[in-house]
Amino acid sequence: DVKVTQSSRYLVKRTGEKVFLECVQDMDHENMFWYRQDPGLGLRLIYFSYDVKMKEKGDIPEGYSVSREKKERFSLILESASTNQTSMYLCASSLWRWGGNEQFFGPGTRLTVL
Amino acid sequence: GESVGLHLPTLSVQEGDNSIINCAYSNSASDYFIWYKQESGKGPQFIIDIRSNMDKRQGQRVTVLLNKTVKHLSLQIAATQPGDSAVYFCAEFLTSGTYKYIFGTGTRLKVLA
Repeated sequence: DVKVTQSSRYLVKRTGEKVFLECVQDMDHENMFWYRQDPGLGLRLIYFSYDVKMKEKGDIPEGYSVSREKKERFSLILESASTNQTSMYLCASSLWRWGGNEQFFGPGTRLTVL
Repeated sequence: GESVGLHLPTLSVQEGDNSIINCAYSNSASDYFIWYKQESGKGPQFIIDIRSNMDKRQGQRVTVLLNKTVKHLSLQIAATQPGDSAVYFCAEFLTSGTYKYIFGTGTRLKVLA
């Protein structure tokens, strides 16, 4: 089974801190995604990557950056955390870029910014 | 614009009855659709998918129906069980330009004993 793991289930940070969220997948998937999930808004795409060192902005990239140095690892960085970034963050991976295919999700990281 | 929506935010179903969860999508260029189940405190879990060249696909106790004419997707759960209680949401995959997934906001399914 595909396994997508996220470094933390819960995080509490202070405004202005730099925050790193790590995601690792173990099935050699090309694509990796970062979403945030807020009540009533569904999943919104922050960034995605379809190859090592490649990244593309999603729908809400402001205030975030990403890094993909290795195929299995995709990091989300909040350069200066703000309270409006309090949310559930979900990482996902899928096998290939072209054509629809299943996304596998991690358990999520619930981030609270005070 | 692009949107994937759900008609009912909460659905209550008696245990043993069938459940039907609906989803509307707006992008006719989408050619792949997924239903996810998300239990409290967990990440979304794949249930079933369907491609646009199909009208119906069945899994174990679940069936997905796709009506491209009215851009409607539904998930049917047979003999609903307490373990089916969760939030269900659909996703469409866009192949025109951006190659990305768009997710609905979700329907909470409550199974009544």
